[in-house]
Amino acid sequence: DQQVKQNSPSLSVQEGRISILNCDYTNSMFDYFLWYKKYPAEGPTFLISISSIKDKNEDGRFTVFLNKSAKHLSLHIVPSQPGDSAVYFCAASETGAGSYQLTFGKGTKLSVIP
Amino acid sequence: DSGVTQTPKHLITATGQRVTLRCSPRSGDLSVYWYQQSLDQGLQFLIHYYNGEERAKGNILERFSAQQFPDLHSELNLSSLELGDSALYFCASSAGALPARETQYFGPGTRLLVL
Repeated sequence: DQQVKQNSPSLSVQEGRISILNCDYTNSMFDYFLWYKKYPAEGPTFLISISSIKDKNEDGRFTVFLNKSAKHLSLHIVPSQPGDSAVYFCAASETGAGSYQLTFGKGTKLSVIP
Repeated sequence: DSGVTQTPKHLITATGQRVTLRCSPRSGDLSVYWYQQSLDQGLQFLIHYYNGEERAKGNILERFSAQQFPDLHSELNLSSLELGDSALYFCASSAGALPARETQYFGPGTRLLVL
């Protein structure tokens, strides 16, 4: 049973527009959420995170929103740039469990069209 | 460059064989995590070591084992390999300082192909 779901395998967005990537989770014990970006032939790189005590975290062009009641988070990229084209993984952690193992979604491939 | 190194980059072997994947964490990081990414799957957590001790196990098969050495590098041993073990294996590291919510930094991965 997938505890972290990214229901859109792919997304295409025009350069300069907003990209919105969505993620749903089922485990109510998750209290820390992260987004990773992955280019081909490279490992995932950390992008942005949010703690469950917040509902929004912003870092430059990237903003993550968390809706705990809906068990939903989203990543907004504004404005989108061609270099943002990558696979984006949503991940969640249950930090009270004593191990910071991450549970990942299957990823969404973002293509930003120039 | 995340600072996490993994060797080898690629590995081709036959069913029934045994391989060892190696990971060197970022300087100063005490935690090492192993993940497996199969085709069309997200990254699946396998195992976590903190300062030489096993901290958590995920979906790791009994044919697989890992250890973290005193110099903090880690090895993932995969034995009696099957076709389905073909995947990308990632190592990640983090500072390991509890109870902080930490970022994990990933290596470039080892691509294993079992023929």
